[in-house]
Order: sequence, then C-alpha cells, then structure tokens
Amino acid sequence: GDSVTQMEGPVTLSEEAFLTINCTYTATGYPSLFWYVQYPGEGLQLLLKATKADDKGSNKGFEATYRKETTSFHLEKGSVQVSDSAVYFCALRSNSGNTPLVFGKGTRLSVIA
Amino acid sequence: GAGVSQSPSNKVTEKGKDVELRCDPISGHTALYWYRQSLGQGLEFLIYFQGNSAPDKSGLPSDRFSAERTGGSVSTLTIQRTQQEDSAVYLCASSAGVNQPQHFGDGTRLSIL
Repeated sequence: GDSVTQMEGPVTLSEEAFLTINCTYTATGYPSLFWYVQYPGEGLQLLLKATKADDKGSNKGFEATYRKETTSFHLEKGSVQVSDSAVYFCALRSNSGNTPLVFGKGTRLSVIA
Repeated sequence: GAGVSQSPSNKVTEKGKDVELRCDPISGHTALYWYRQSLGQGLEFLIYFQGNSAPDKSGLPSDRFSAERTGGSVSTLTIQRTQQEDSAVYLCASSAGVNQPQHFGDGTRLSIL
C-alpha cells in the first residue's frame, strides 16, 4: 500500500539556520503531496501542497518540490525562526479522489535563539 | 468562518468504559475523516465518510470502534470497552470536495486509566 517515510527527529537548529526535512513516498499512480505542521498545543494545519510532478509548494518561507523521479517531497526553509518550532508531517493522498491522507510519523523541529 | 470543531478536547475514562467523541465539520464539506495520533505511531486513518456513500471503515483497528455521520454533517466516533492502548489524540478532518485540502480540528485527547 501507499506509504510515507520522513526523517526522524528531533531536529534542533539555531535561529537563521537552513532547514531540510526529508520525505520520500511509495504510491501507485500520481498522488498529491502535502506538508502539515502542528504547533505546540494546536491542531494540524496545512503548510503547503503539490499535486503533480515538478510542482513546487510554498508558504511562510517553506518550500517543497514534487520529485517524481526520486519519489521525494523534501521540506526546506532558508532561515528558520524560533516560531517555526513544531512537528512537521509529510503526507500523500491517492489521486483517486477524496481519499484519506497517508502520513509520515512526523519530525519534531526545535529552533533555539 | 468556523473551522472543524471537536469535543471534548480532553477525556479521561476508566478501562472498560465506552466513550463518544464528536466532530462538527466545516459547513458544506462533504467529506469527513477520523484519524488517530498515537505516541510513536504517527497519524493513522480510521474511517472516512463521503456524502451519502457507505463509509470506508478499513482503518478501524477493531470492532470496538464505530462511527456514524448524521445528516451528512456531525460525526460521532464511539469506542466500546476501552483499553489502555486506545489512549491517543483522535483527530477529525473535513474537506470540500475532490482534490480539496483536509482541514483538521484540534483533536480529542483520550486517556484510558
């Protein structure tokens, strides 16, 4: 079945450091790919998405590019802030309609000043 | 506008008791999903409702779990004869249609003593 693998945390970075959180997937067909973020004490929020190969999703300085050839959707940010501390989840959804999301296990990011 | 609302936000109960968790989706959203977030397990899909179609129950871990969605809106997830391994955060999400993003509630944190 479909699956998502993301790098295990926790990841601890200093403010203004470069962030990469790796995510790879296994799926039949061409799924849509997502990054969700869960800030402390809050619910899951959609951070960005990409629905087809070579699409780049971006939001709040974060970017991820849908790479079909490497089945990857790595999350990057050039300069992290303390407020970016959260748990980040990579997810996919089969392209066959309104199907449930398949999530990775999440990566906890802590940014220190 | 109002987001996905879940209640209660926290529930503590004794092993063997039944519990009901409620989800109010965003008005007009046709699809509703239940997920479980357990420590070390990430986010697991439980059940999915789409309009008037029969729900996809393929993620329910045992027959102690059931869910219904009345009038195409509010949903209730019921866990009978709770066990300690049922302790988790139960998340509800809704979406407006095919290829639309899922919006999550803040979840219900369930603790089984």
